[in-house]
Amino acid sequence: AQSVTQPDIHITVSEGASLELRCNYSYGATPYLFWYVQSPGQGLQLLLKYFSGDTLVQGIKGFEAEFKRSQSSFNLRKPSVHWSDAAEYFCAVGAYSGGGADGLTFGKGTHLIIQP
Amino acid sequence: DTGVSQDPRHKITKRGQNVTFRCDPISEHNRLYWYRQTLGQGPEFLTYFQNEAQLEKSRLLSDRFSAERPKGSFSTLEIQRTEQGDSAMYLCASSLGTGKGFNEQFFGPGTRLTVL
Repeated sequence: AQSVTQPDIHITVSEGASLELRCNYSYGATPYLFWYVQSPGQGLQLLLKYFSGDTLVQGIKGFEAEFKRSQSSFNLRKPSVHWSDAAEYFCAVGAYSGGGADGLTFGKGTHLIIQP
Repeated sequence: DTGVSQDPRHKITKRGQNVTFRCDPISEHNRLYWYRQTLGQGPEFLTYFQNEAQLEKSRLLSDRFSAERPKGSFSTLEIQRTEQGDSAMYLCASSLGTGKGFNEQFFGPGTRLTVL
């Protein structure tokens, strides 16, 4: 069974500073990896995804993530954060079962706080 | 594309009562998922439909929980004899399952259940 670890429960970053959120996964095959963002009162919004190919993927809102198979990691980065980036961020791994349920396994999330 | 919608957005009930939630997926999506998210945790998979067939259920889904998708469109999730431990956000997601590779899931805003 797959699992996802997000080691940082809370991260505080100053506005304009760079950001890196960590994600480690455990999965026996090539993973399908996702980063979602959840703001209060909002649904989960997909930031970016990795299925195959280039290991550096670009997403919405200026986010990017790098897949490193050797480290089983898929860290999320942003060069300069904005106050509106304050939210809960979830990393998820998908298990493709050949036509069956494409279940997502989520990490516990990282709460991002932006300091003015 | 109006997105995934869920109704109600909030539900407060007393222990022992039954509650029912509704999810309307994106219109052309044939796959529908229910997740549960408790405070401080990531979403956890509950169950999955392909068209009207319920194909997978998590062990989290006790016999008090039942889900239906009668015509392969909207879905309902019913909880009977609610317990305080059922208090959570219930999320619905849908995807267009093609049977080829992983299919991105789009999430609704969720229904927040509070059991008193």
